[in-house]
Amino acid sequence: DAGITQSPRHKVTETGTPVTLRCHQTENHRYMYWYRQDPGHGLRLIHYSYGVKDTDKGEVSDGYSVSRSKTEDFLLTLESATSSQTSVYFCAISERAGDRPTEAFFGQGTRLTVV
Amino acid sequence: EDQVTQSPEALRLQEGESSSLNCSYTVSGLRGLFWYRQDPGKGPEFLFTLYSAGEEKEKERLKATLTKKESFLHITAPKPEDSATYLCAVQADGNNRLAFGKGNQVVVIP
Repeated sequence: DAGITQSPRHKVTETGTPVTLRCHQTENHRYMYWYRQDPGHGLRLIHYSYGVKDTDKGEVSDGYSVSRSKTEDFLLTLESATSSQTSVYFCAISERAGDRPTEAFFGQGTRLTVV
Repeated sequence: EDQVTQSPEALRLQEGESSSLNCSYTVSGLRGLFWYRQDPGKGPEFLFTLYSAGEEKEKERLKATLTKKESFLHITAPKPEDSATYLCAVQADGNNRLAFGKGNQVVVIP
């Protein structure tokens, strides 16, 4: 299994509080991603990183920020949690082999509940 | 915008009853199409990558094929352990992101 660890695995938080989710990899892959998965929507990209301090927005980035200060760590922050951010969050990593994309490997997910 | 549509949304199969899952895609230029398997409460697990029309990949009872507009995941003589949600994703020219479909939920009944 790819070395990806997400923490925490489960979290319940109150509306309006900030929350930070952590993704740690031991594969030294260049690309890291944060997705959320909701019933009826599938996996949607929140933010991604293509190197240390290099990040970009995905399709559902409002209300989220990210940081990557080291190759191995990618943090996702909910600046002020809302009930609509209740979801399962997945981190993924990938590398590139020449011009061809390579598969992304996923973590086990973080189940976040905002009450 | 890249679009991925999977059908059927849900499928119930008798053990041994072969079937196919469809993934239709619209991208500006396909760099790769990926199939994943996801079990309840777990992250997606990589199955196959397809890069160009006509390409095929096989793994045990699963076979993935690719045309210019769609991909099929064929499940031959399925077993209960093949029950899962199968996800299709595409990566387009000019970016390193994956766009996912909503998945095909497959249940194989003994």
